[in-house]
Amino acid sequence: QQQVKQSPQSLIVQKGGISIINCAYENTAFDYFPWYQQFPGKGPALLIAIRPDVSEKKEGRFTISFNKSAKQFSLHIMDSQPGDSATYFCAASGGRAGGGADGLTFGKGTHLIIQP
Amino acid sequence: EPEVTQTPSHQVTQMGQEVILRCVPISNHLYFYWYRQILGQKVEFLVSFYNNEISEKSEIFDDQFSVERPDGSNFTLKIRSTKLEDSAMYFCASSDPGVKYEQFFGPGTRLTVL
Repeated sequence: QQQVKQSPQSLIVQKGGISIINCAYENTAFDYFPWYQQFPGKGPALLIAIRPDVSEKKEGRFTISFNKSAKQFSLHIMDSQPGDSATYFCAASGGRAGGGADGLTFGKGTHLIIQP
Repeated sequence: EPEVTQTPSHQVTQMGQEVILRCVPISNHLYFYWYRQILGQKVEFLVSFYNNEISEKSEIFDDQFSVERPDGSNFTLKIRSTKLEDSAMYFCASSDPGVKYEQFFGPGTRLTVL
């Protein structure tokens, strides 16, 4: 119920191409879906996030598409650049009653390589 | 730009020893978190902390773990009796009360248990 399933595990894209990473969740109480970017030896960095009341959010070259009925969301990286080579994690949180702090449930990550 | 800091960057300890990992969250943030990442695996939630008490904890966060905010700036994770399987990267994160879902992560502490 708490899992977030992420695919593919690894992805190679040519420079200038579109990188697409997919995630699916089971817990319908989740109400916040961020994507994190992680470089080797660094902490995850918040990239972009979406709420289930919208179907798409775009920030620069990064777009999240969200399908509430299918319980799926995806990250699209347009005009992919070698500097985008990193591990990308989708995550989800929410659904706790009352206040307090919700922990994030992460997917297993996608190792993205952008070839020059 | 404000950031979460963590010390030490690398901690080596013997099995059975106690370790304390330290974090300084972003100054105006009120929600604090610990996560761990075993090498090559996904990031796993351990515990969240708000208003001087644990808000949520995962199954991983058993009796050997504890958290504390000893003063107005630090947030610590204590592992009482370390095991080999505690070897991992430990990340601290914090979030702003106005946008509490947006969690900002520190650079991590690599814990190696021998």
